[in-house]
Parts: sequence; structure tokens; C-alpha cells
Amino acid sequence: GQQLNQSPQSMFIQEGEDVSMNCTSSSIFNTWLWYKQDPGEGPVLLIALYKAGELTSNGRLTAQFGITRKDSFLNISASIPSDVGIYFCAGQRTGNQFYFGTGTSLTVIP
Amino acid sequence: DTEVTQTPKHLVMGMTNKKSLKCEQHMGHRAMYWYKQKAKKPPELMFVYSYEKLSINESVPSRFSPECPNSSLLNLHLHALQPEDSALYLCASSQAIPVWNEQFFGPGTRLTVL
Repeated sequence: GQQLNQSPQSMFIQEGEDVSMNCTSSSIFNTWLWYKQDPGEGPVLLIALYKAGELTSNGRLTAQFGITRKDSFLNISASIPSDVGIYFCAGQRTGNQFYFGTGTSLTVIP
Repeated sequence: DTEVTQTPKHLVMGMTNKKSLKCEQHMGHRAMYWYKQKAKKPPELMFVYSYEKLSINESVPSRFSPECPNSSLLNLHLHALQPEDSALYLCASSQAIPVWNEQFFGPGTRLTVL
């Protein structure tokens, strides 16, 4: 199945720094989802985006649905140690199928 | 309540065993999914059920057999698995509408095939 390109692949940052990651596709999507996954656990839904240009926040997290509908961005402000994990984007065109990004692994150094 | 539950949490089985993974949700979702995930990789779609009917099978080997007994339950029956089938198996659910869906995952079953 199609995979979305996510970058960067990994990030090592100091606690307190801001984080930015993005997800790009060659296809248009109608929904963008962002997940965080801890080792050995299932992905947890962080933010859902439904409209091109939409900017949505969830605490220190902010995500945007790209204007072209082919990309999405996730920002984390003032990172803390519990932000460590793998972040996945997922896109839905139509129908019950979601396409996942390759993941961004985040390490926060205290 | 946005909870999807999965049992067991861990499963170790031999290549000749038959076992089942179970998934349950009470969000009224009519689409349910099985994914397979290897370490540090994204989830790979295996099956999708929509209104209790199998709608997507991503060319999964027949040693994996899904079942959706009702709108809240999803099973994955395992038989004659191979060591390379060892992975985290994730169940998910969403509304069965064409767009603007949120998909929620369970905690997964860590499967080891010896």
C-alpha cells in the first residue's frame, strides 16, 4: 500500500526546544491524522484535521492541514521527556483505508 | 469513551498451534481493522471490516483468518504461523463514513512465533 513520506526520520533535541515534523504525499487526502506511539503500545491519536488550511491545537501540539491537501505538519512546543516516542501521520482519501507515514522518532534529552 | 481493547497482551505460540486474537470497541464504530507492525515501522494494513463484512484483504496469507461476529467484536484466528509473523498486531476502529474519520487503535498484542 501507499506510504507517506515523513521527515525527519529521527530527531534528538534538548528538553524545552520546539519540534517540527512533516508528512508529504503525491496524492490528495481528505483527512490527516497524527499519532504518537510508545514502544510496545498502540498508536494514540493526537490530532485530526479535516479541512485544507486548518490549524488545530491540542495542548503543546499544533498540526496543520496543508493547503495543497498533499501534506501536513506537526509542531510540539517546549518539549518534555514524555514527548519521546515515534510520531506517525496518516491520511485518508475516501473509504475505510488509512495510509501511514514512515514515522519520526523523537528523543528528548533532559 | 474512545477505547479499543485487545486480548491477550502477549502471545507466544509454536508453528503448529492455533490461537486467536480478540478486539472489542463500544464506540458504535462500524469499521474495524487489523494491522501488523514490525519494530520502528508504520502499521501495515491486513484486513478491514465494514458493517461486519470483509471489505479489504491486503493479500494476507490464509494462515491469518479474520472474523467479525458482531459490530463490537473482531477476531484474528492464527494457524500454522511462521517465525517471521512475529510482530505487534493492532486492532483499530473508526466510523464507516467515507471521509473525515478518526481511527482509534487498541494497545496491541505482541505475538512471538517460535
